[in-house]
Amino acid sequence: QVQLVQSGTELKKPGASLKVSCRASGHTSTKFAFAWVRQAPGGALEWVGWINPSKGSTMYAQNLQERVTVTTDTSTATVYLELRSLRSDDTAMYYCAGFTDSRGDALEVWGQGTMVTVSS
Amino acid sequence: SSEVTQPPSVSVSPGQTARITCSGETVANIYTSWYQQKPGQAPVLIIYKDIERPSGIPERFSGSSSGTTVTLSISEVQAEDEADYYCQSADATTASVIFGGGTKLTVL
Repeated sequence: QVQLVQSGTELKKPGASLKVSCRASGHTSTKFAFAWVRQAPGGALEWVGWINPSKGSTMYAQNLQERVTVTTDTSTATVYLELRSLRSDDTAMYYCAGFTDSRGDALEVWGQGTMVTVSS
Repeated sequence: SSEVTQPPSVSVSPGQTARITCSGETVANIYTSWYQQKPGQAPVLIIYKDIERPSGIPERFSGSSSGTTVTLSISEVQAEDEADYYCQSADATTASVIFGGGTKLTVL
């Protein structure tokens, strides 16, 4: 079983950049792809982007694609989310999640979440 | 852009069956997943590939699909099932992930 452990709470000022990490442990031999999903306080889940390390491919939500980058360090089994030019409406809980095509790309394992607050 | 629509809320008495729908053109061609999220917790996958259930998820949870609507059914609802439920599909053209707006299940 794979576990995903994310980095801690972040407080950022508007205009700053953010980098959140998500480290996989356990049966990391399984070829997972990884997604980032965010949830504003009291809001719904919103997909941010995904990366498939095996294929070297990424995809981002259209409304964020100019400010977001998802990368991976396979040597440490860590996935990173970078979000630039932060705004107050980026305040949210950010989750990483792992998926495989064997389950129809369902997000089968989730990290604990990283709370990001953007405020002056 | 593609969208999937869920009812904002569903209420049911203990022991009854709750049904939560997820509608949109994309669900007719792309597998749908369902997630349960309780307050302060990360979402948990409860249904994948429209009808499959991960190990450890009670048999009371089931999925079905018909045309442009997929349905999550929870039989013999218990108080512990009170949570937010989200469906998730994808855009076949762009490979973007799509979430429904979520349904709050209230157990009366």
